[in-house]
Amino acid sequence: NAGVTQTPKFRVLKTGQSMTLLCAQDMNHEYMYWYRQDPGMGLRLIHYSVGEGTTAKGEVPDGYNVSRLKKQNFLLGLESAAPSQTSVYFCASAKDGAAYNEQFFGPGTRLTVL
Amino acid sequence: RKEVEQDPGPFNVPEGATVAFNCTYSNSASQSFFWYRQDCRKEPKLLMSVYSSGNEDGRFTAQLNRASQYISLLIRDSKLSDSATYLCVVNNQAGTALIFGKGTTLSVSS
Repeated sequence: NAGVTQTPKFRVLKTGQSMTLLCAQDMNHEYMYWYRQDPGMGLRLIHYSVGEGTTAKGEVPDGYNVSRLKKQNFLLGLESAAPSQTSVYFCASAKDGAAYNEQFFGPGTRLTVL
Repeated sequence: RKEVEQDPGPFNVPEGATVAFNCTYSNSASQSFFWYRQDCRKEPKLLMSVYSSGNEDGRFTAQLNRASQYISLLIRDSKLSDSATYLCVVNNQAGTALIFGKGTTLSVSS
């Protein structure tokens, strides 16, 4: 099993450009999450999904959109990138009842917005 | 009060030392508690869950005090490989997601 994978690993964008980050998991998990991690801020939840076709906002959703068309994939979109979105983005998945189950993280995507 | 608060450290200790990390959480209804470990430039990984009765895994002991809304992690006989950031984690009010503390950095030196 590959676990949780993220594509791409690194990306540099110019302000105003758009991009999509892909998260894939092969553990048949129901719950998936997108976090961003900034120095001194810890992990902050952007959006999450409790199942295929469902999404919900987390702590810092502004400027991001997500889709969960397939159970194994969770996409994070930046429509018009801003320098404030420079961060490391982590995707995670959990079996179900996420609060009671381990979250498995992907290796992260390092995004720089110039 | 922030939802999950940790002393950021860094904690600099020699090999063999015992070190303790503390964490407080604001939601008295929280039911799930964890410690995650994050190595430099890597993803977080579950270290251990924290149960009301306390639990131990080798050199690591986690304790929960619900009355004080306080979680602790004790590491005995520190190893160089224990150097990492330790994240205190509790569930959100809806029970659908986890809230991560900012982490406590540990550096173990020889």
